[in-house]
Amino acid sequence: GALVYQYPRRTICKSGTSMRMECQAVGFQATSVAWYRQSPQKTFELIALSTVNSAIKYEQNFTQEKFPISHPNLSFSSMTVLNAYLEDRGLYLCGAGGQNERLFFGHGTKLSVL
Amino acid sequence: QQQVRQSPQSLTVWEGETAILNCSYEDSTFDYFPWYHQFPGESPALLIAIRPVSNKKEDGRFTIFFNKREKKFSLHIADSQPGDSATYFCAASVNYNQGKLIFGQGTKLSIKP
Repeated sequence: GALVYQYPRRTICKSGTSMRMECQAVGFQATSVAWYRQSPQKTFELIALSTVNSAIKYEQNFTQEKFPISHPNLSFSSMTVLNAYLEDRGLYLCGAGGQNERLFFGHGTKLSVL
Repeated sequence: QQQVRQSPQSLTVWEGETAILNCSYEDSTFDYFPWYHQFPGESPALLIAIRPVSNKKEDGRFTIFFNKREKKFSLHIADSQPGDSATYFCAASVNYNQGKLIFGQGTKLSIKP
């Protein structure tokens, strides 16, 4: 079956430092990978959408300078949160899409900032 | 405008009743409307989805009703069970292959036994 592994599951970083999270698609080709953030008590905000062989598209309020993303092949993507501060806390989700319409989500990376 | 509005914010129903969750949108180019549920500490999981070619989609106790003219869609959970208690998110996307989902604000559903 199709699975998406995301790691780490939880991470704590000091204010001003950076952390990287990774997403691995198993059982299907992740043509597109979307990174979302769920802030406390909020819904999912799309950070950026990455499609293999195309430029990564960032949503308003999110930039490559703050959330650089790599999507080098059809099974792997990573995103870094640079200079993390309190407002960056939340659950970060990667959602990988193949040829059909279903988006498979990883378990998420819960980021806490001290 | 690419926004999806969801209501109510929270909902409590008795076991066996039908829970109804509502969403609306403005962008008429949306062509894929999934519902996800999320249990505490878990990632969202796809529950059921519909395309505008249909106005109803059923999967067991879960039914989506879709009104293209009014740009509304709803999730009906029949014969609610305590295990259905979770947060439910509606979403919409323009080109489903691209994975760009716009999520509603979520409805926290509680089923009382």
